[in-house]
Formats: sequence, structure tokens, C-alpha cells
Amino acid sequence: QKEVEQNSGPLSVPEGAIASLNCTYSDRGSQSFFWYRQYSGKSPELIMFIYSNGDKEDGRFTAQLNKASQYVSLLIRDSQPSDSATYLCAVRGVGGTSYGKLTFGQGTILTVHP
Amino acid sequence: NAGVMQNPRHLVRRRGQEARLRCSPMKGHSHVYWYRQLPEEGLKFMVYLQKENIIDESGMPKERFSAEFPKEGPSILRIQQVVRGDSAAYFCASSPPVSPYEQYFGPGTRLTVT
Repeated sequence: QKEVEQNSGPLSVPEGAIASLNCTYSDRGSQSFFWYRQYSGKSPELIMFIYSNGDKEDGRFTAQLNKASQYVSLLIRDSQPSDSATYLCAVRGVGGTSYGKLTFGQGTILTVHP
Repeated sequence: NAGVMQNPRHLVRRRGQEARLRCSPMKGHSHVYWYRQLPEEGLKFMVYLQKENIIDESGMPKERFSAEFPKEGPSILRIQQVVRGDSAAYFCASSPPVSPYEQYFGPGTRLTVT
């Protein structure tokens, strides 16, 4: 089982729709979760982080965390063509000196079509 | 407020040569991380450094790779005797002391080994 798993997609949604991106993780002790956006040929850009169970909203983005189910998701409301990118889920390491290590999923390719 | 800076942005080396990749963290950031993204693969953690200290090098290949973050100057990722399999995008990230878990990425160095 991979440490962090995402559906690779591609996920295609029409402009204005809600895009839902999902991620599961294997280490039950994980505490911190991050969503990054990466445009083709560019570097990852931090969108949101979430540490507590429940929802966290920032503009059109909502991150959802369910530690019991080891599941974290990202919702993008009113999707725009400019949101088309690869979305990376990352989980911070726990224990010892691994607290600085982010483990990334393979990423989900999102395409928003006009 | 300048972001994370990396240079060179593109680097071409012949097999057997050395590659030196440099990273200057964001102003006020004292934690540096290196990641590698191989073609068609995910982003993989390599090493976590603070000034003059290697905190976690669990992702570094055992041979040919080394990293440092001296008291003065940028962090350096050094690859000796490069091979074709080292061709990848190498990203540096930094985080502030007060929130060491939120990592902001630089533009990356694209290494091509011929």
C-alpha cells in the first residue's frame, strides 16, 4: 500500500462546477496535510494545509479531513480553466527527525473545460 | 518579498561530471528541503537541513549525493559522477522557523545528463 494515494485522473469538469479531489494515507499517526497545485513545467504551489478534523475554507477552496477514515479531500468551487493543473496531496512525517519530510501522492490531473 | 531562489534553472552535464545545485531560501526562512521529481514519477523527499545541520537525509541516495546548508550562503545539493538516471527536476523548499511545516517551493533546477 502506498503511503499517500490519489486518483491520477484525469478529472474533467465543466467551468463553474465543483471539482472534488481525494487522497488517502496509510500512517494513522499523521497529523498535518497539505494540498499543492503544480502547473505543467512549474514548481508546486501551496494551496492549503489542514491539521484538524473537519473543513477548512479559503476562498473557492475547501479542504476536508477525516482522520478516522484516513482521508483528506480538496473541493474547488466555481472551477475555472485556470485551475487546470496537477493537484498534489502531501502528508507530513511523524516521529523522530521525519517531521520535515513531506510524502506526496502521485497527483490528480484536473482539467476544467469552458 | 523574494521567494525561494534556485540556480541554475537548467543544467546539462555529461555522464561522470559533477552537478551543483544552489538554493537560497525565502528571507527569514531557516529550514531548507530538497525534493526530486523524476519524469512520470511523483515528488520525492531527499533531505531536510537547517543552518549547518542535516536534520533528515533519509531520502538521499547512499552514494554520490550530498547536501549542505552553511552558516553563510545558499544550500547546495551536490551530485558527483552523474548518470542518466539522475536527470530530473530538483526542487528546493523553505519554511519559516515559526511554522516549519509549511514548505514553499522554488522554481526548480532541471538537470539533464547526456
